[in-house]
Amino acid sequence: EVQLVQSGEEVKKPGESLKISCKASGYSFTTYWIGWVRQMPVKGLEWMGIIYPGDSDTRYSPSFQGQVTISADNSIDTAYLQWSSLKASDTAIYYCVRRLGIRTFDLWGQGTMVTVSS
Amino acid sequence: QSALTQPASVSGSPGQSITISCTGTSSDIGGYNYVSWYQQHPGKAPKLMIYDVSNRPSGVSNRFSGSKSGNTASLTISGLQAGDEADYYCSSYTRSSTLVFGGGTKVTVL
Repeated sequence: EVQLVQSGEEVKKPGESLKISCKASGYSFTTYWIGWVRQMPVKGLEWMGIIYPGDSDTRYSPSFQGQVTISADNSIDTAYLQWSSLKASDTAIYYCVRRLGIRTFDLWGQGTMVTVSS
Repeated sequence: QSALTQPASVSGSPGQSITISCTGTSSDIGGYNYVSWYQQHPGKAPKLMIYDVSNRPSGVSNRFSGSKSGNTASLTISGLQAGDEADYYCSSYTRSSTLVFGGGTKVTVL
């Protein structure tokens, strides 16, 4: 089955670091871009950035450049989203997504809820 | 990159047709035929319903259709059903080589 399976819910304090994961299965991991989408509480969707596992080419939305790091490990077909110092405003659900061509996200992970609170 | 503009809510009775609009600019919707629509039920991940303005992925009901005119794209749901009640988001490829989403539309089945 073609799917993206994300790591579980996280509860962190401001200033802490975090790395969440997204494991792909059922397709060739290195031949599709994988991205991350944020959904803040009761809010819409925001595209954060994307990586091509085949050569690690990574692009960020200007809104998230410098705020997060996207990476991938081809040996285990897994993409990552990482923060070095969380803020309360990072509280959201984060979805990993597979990009089809340049134009759409055809496969979504189940989402990872991240709560940042003191 | 500003979000695309969608109405906050649209409602209809079972069996009716409804249309959700999504307005952008010549730098996104108007410049490319790369508009997508996603359906999100409460507590669930979004699901791709339409891509490339009017194409349906395998398994998506033909009650869902998409179109575009100028800088505005539209999603039409015909034969509205209770299970269609959800949030719907549009997205478009942009001149900056990014993807931008709309703010979302809550569809209510009366």
